[in-house]
Amino acid sequence: GAVVSQHPSWVICKSGTSVKIECRSLDFQATTMFWYRQFPKQSLMLMATSNEGSKATYEQGVEKDKFLINHASLTLSTLTVTSAHPEDSSFYICSAREHGTDSSSYSNQPQHFGDGTRLSIL
Amino acid sequence: TQLLEQSPQFLSIQEGENLTVYCNSSSVFSSLQWYRQEPGEGPVLLVTVVTGGEVKKLKRLTFQFGDARKDSSLHITAAQPGDTGLYLCAGAGWYGGSQGNLIFGKGTKLSVKP
Repeated sequence: GAVVSQHPSWVICKSGTSVKIECRSLDFQATTMFWYRQFPKQSLMLMATSNEGSKATYEQGVEKDKFLINHASLTLSTLTVTSAHPEDSSFYICSAREHGTDSSSYSNQPQHFGDGTRLSIL
Repeated sequence: TQLLEQSPQFLSIQEGENLTVYCNSSSVFSSLQWYRQEPGEGPVLLVTVVTGGEVKKLKRLTFQFGDARKDSSLHITAAQPGDTGLYLCAGAGWYGGSQGNLIFGKGTKLSVKP
């Protein structure tokens, strides 16, 4: 089945550090990838939608200058948390959607999730 | 804004019992996906239902999409401790273009005790 690899799985760093998280689709092409944030015992909150070759679309309340997203190829998207602070500590998860055959079926294509990155800012 | 209400939020049962998780919305979705998530891991897709009234079975799990495509249910028969986890429903909307973001329910934390 479709596999999404997310790296690193766990990061601990000092306040003020910038952290890059990678999301790769290993056996399929993903023109669209999604970045989520999940707080303990809560559901996933969509942060942004990453489109290959274009700017990411950010959800309301998510600072685009704080969370930099780059989707340079059909198999790789990166999220950089710039100048991270303790309040940025969270579980970050990416997902990639298989490309559908037409626009009507695209939204029904399943999203495959990475295993998440646990970010802890001291 | 589409909202997907998932219930119950927490469920603790004994091994062998049956249970049902519900996802409801006032909006119509083009499809609905069910995921299961273990602590410290990403969600794993269980099933996608697309057609109104559709029923899919995955071993002891039965998924149903409402006729009006506004609601869905997950029924587990004879639950096992291995079924313990966070179950998430997610709806895909009738979006034009290629976005089609998923709307997630808040999740159901299931604990099955031996």
